[in-house]
Amino acid sequence: DADVTQTPRNRITKTGKRIMLECSQTKGHDRMYWYRQDPGLGLRLIYYSFDVKDINKGEISDGYSVSRQAQAKFSLSLESAIPNQTALYFCATSDGTATEKLFFGSGTQLSVL
Amino acid sequence: EDKVVQSPLSLVVHEGDTVTLNCSYEVTNFRSLLWYKQEKKAPTFLFMLTSSGIEKKSGRLSSILDKKELFSILNITATQTGDSAVYLCAARNTNAGKSTFGDGTTLTVKP
Repeated sequence: DADVTQTPRNRITKTGKRIMLECSQTKGHDRMYWYRQDPGLGLRLIYYSFDVKDINKGEISDGYSVSRQAQAKFSLSLESAIPNQTALYFCATSDGTATEKLFFGSGTQLSVL
Repeated sequence: EDKVVQSPLSLVVHEGDTVTLNCSYEVTNFRSLLWYKQEKKAPTFLFMLTSSGIEKKSGRLSSILDKKELFSILNITATQTGDSAVYLCAARNTNAGKSTFGDGTTLTVKP
């Protein structure tokens, strides 16, 4: 079983719809992140959370919101989807140690028509 | 604003060639530089570098960091088709604990 699980794997939606992407992890990590990746580009940070009561904006948070329901769950919402939010979305976790390497989910490919 | 630049953006080589991928960074309160390999979907961790001049090595892959000149390189020797992927580097600062990624280098290894 995957340590970081994202649902759904693929989603097509229409402009203006509200959509939620979900992430759960079994790694026991406190830190969770949402990134987005556009073709030919690296990963850009949307939001991150260092524990259940800690939520921080990343570099591209406009148009997005998040909820940390539990240590293991971190969901990303698009309140009113627009076409330029079409992208590959990754959830990631880290253990906060000196290594600080990220463990990624398999991604959610979102298309907004 | 933290910034990470990778070069080249893409590279096509033949099996057996040696390649060098570059990553330069400008990060406030730099802590570490990480390399990831992205084959189909999820990036997977390769190396973390924190000290200048100390080479990290794993099989045919190796990486080194220069904190004075603010760059890192990833070397792959005797490339194989399975090395075809996007290679991402990310710089992490101490304050926010988050990583800033470069745009990646797409490596294609032809038989």
